[in-house]
Amino acid sequence: DARVTQTPRDKVTEMGQEVTMRCQPILGHNTVFWYRQTMMQGLELLAYFRNRAPLDDSGMPKDRFSAEMPDATLATLKIQPSEPRDSAVYFCASARDRVDLRPNNEQFFGPGTRLTVL
Amino acid sequence: LAKTTQPISMDSYEGQEVNITCSHNNIATNDYITWYQQFPSQGPRFIIQGYKTKVTNEVASLFIPADRKSSTLSLPRVSLSDTAVYYCPEQADKLIFGTGTRLQVFP
Repeated sequence: DARVTQTPRDKVTEMGQEVTMRCQPILGHNTVFWYRQTMMQGLELLAYFRNRAPLDDSGMPKDRFSAEMPDATLATLKIQPSEPRDSAVYFCASARDRVDLRPNNEQFFGPGTRLTVL
Repeated sequence: LAKTTQPISMDSYEGQEVNITCSHNNIATNDYITWYQQFPSQGPRFIIQGYKTKVTNEVASLFIPADRKSSTLSLPRVSLSDTAVYYCPEQADKLIFGTGTRLQVFP
């Protein structure tokens, strides 16, 4: 049963500290998404990659957030320095391109990383 | 981006049929309509997708009228375990989820 995995599942840190979240997409999936979820804003898209290349990071605060895919099996989301307003659940999702190359709306989500910044 | 609108919350009782409607303003010709379900403390899960008319799977039915300006997710005979948030995300080259519809099923 292929699944997206995320680590850590929970992270508590202090303001100003660096936070790195990791995601392993489903093997064979070539598109990876990072989302942030809060009660107030709902589920927001931060960034996404196709074939490891960043396609859109317009939802991400550029001054403190960065997203990378060092290889096809690992995606990272880093916050430096972290702030209390970054407290949220961060989800990673992956998808596989359709044969006709249209966007694939069936995304598979990981369990999320719950981040608390004190 | 195409804009979708759905109710913030709905309540139901076990055994009832629940219909959640989403409006799809300015949906593009090539866009499919997709619904996701999210249980507490879990990531969203794809449940159904369609282009027009009706689609049914083991989880739900999706009704899309000819003009495609709306869609209705139908959950037959809900149970307590159907309590979740349901999303009909906006689409372009990516999905925009928003806050979804919070369904609460009571015994």
